[in-house]
Amino acid sequence: DAGITQSPRHKVTETGTPVTLRCHQTENHRYMYWYRQDPGHGLRLIHYSYGVKDTDKGEVSDGYSVSRSKTEDFLLTLESATSSQTSVYFCAIGGDYGYTFGSGTRLTVV
Amino acid sequence: DQQVKQNSPSLSVQEGRISILNCDYTNSMFDYFLWYKKYPAEGPTFLISISSIKDKNEDGRFTVFLNKSAKHLSLHIVPSQPGDSAVYFCAASVNTDKLIFGTGTRLQVFP
Repeated sequence: DAGITQSPRHKVTETGTPVTLRCHQTENHRYMYWYRQDPGHGLRLIHYSYGVKDTDKGEVSDGYSVSRSKTEDFLLTLESATSSQTSVYFCAIGGDYGYTFGSGTRLTVV
Repeated sequence: DQQVKQNSPSLSVQEGRISILNCDYTNSMFDYFLWYKKYPAEGPTFLISISSIKDKNEDGRFTVFLNKSAKHLSLHIVPSQPGDSAVYFCAASVNTDKLIFGTGTRLQVFP
């Protein structure tokens, strides 16, 4: 295992509440990514980071924010959860020749 | 706008036969392509990749073919095994930047 963990693994939350997902890596990688997986859409990039405090938006960033205060941690925050954000969220590390993914967080917004 | 497309959502193949998974892309700037495999309740895992300077790359039972003029790549699995049953994603990038993924193809290998 590449040393990337996501927490929590499962979460159910109510519409309108803030939610934070955590990605923790022990590989000292500069690059970290957040994707969401939805049927019919595959994996879509939400936000990514090229280093501490260096983040940028992906293709589906609306409603999400991220923070990276330490190399090992990349946090994804849903400011005010909506039902359309029900999904499986994957964190990934890596760069030049492919990524290593975490096991995912299944988020349900009710 | 889907830059990487997998038009077959599912594929069913008999054990021992060849599985062919297809992927099309629209961005001619893509220069690196990968295939990932995903089992339920797990993250995707890297399978095989190919650079745009090549048209074929092999790794054991897995071969990826790239046709740049057609903007098409395919993954061949020979022989297919029941353990290959999973969802397969193709992905592409420009200058090894962020990966853009396709929608996935669910492969089922039956006895």
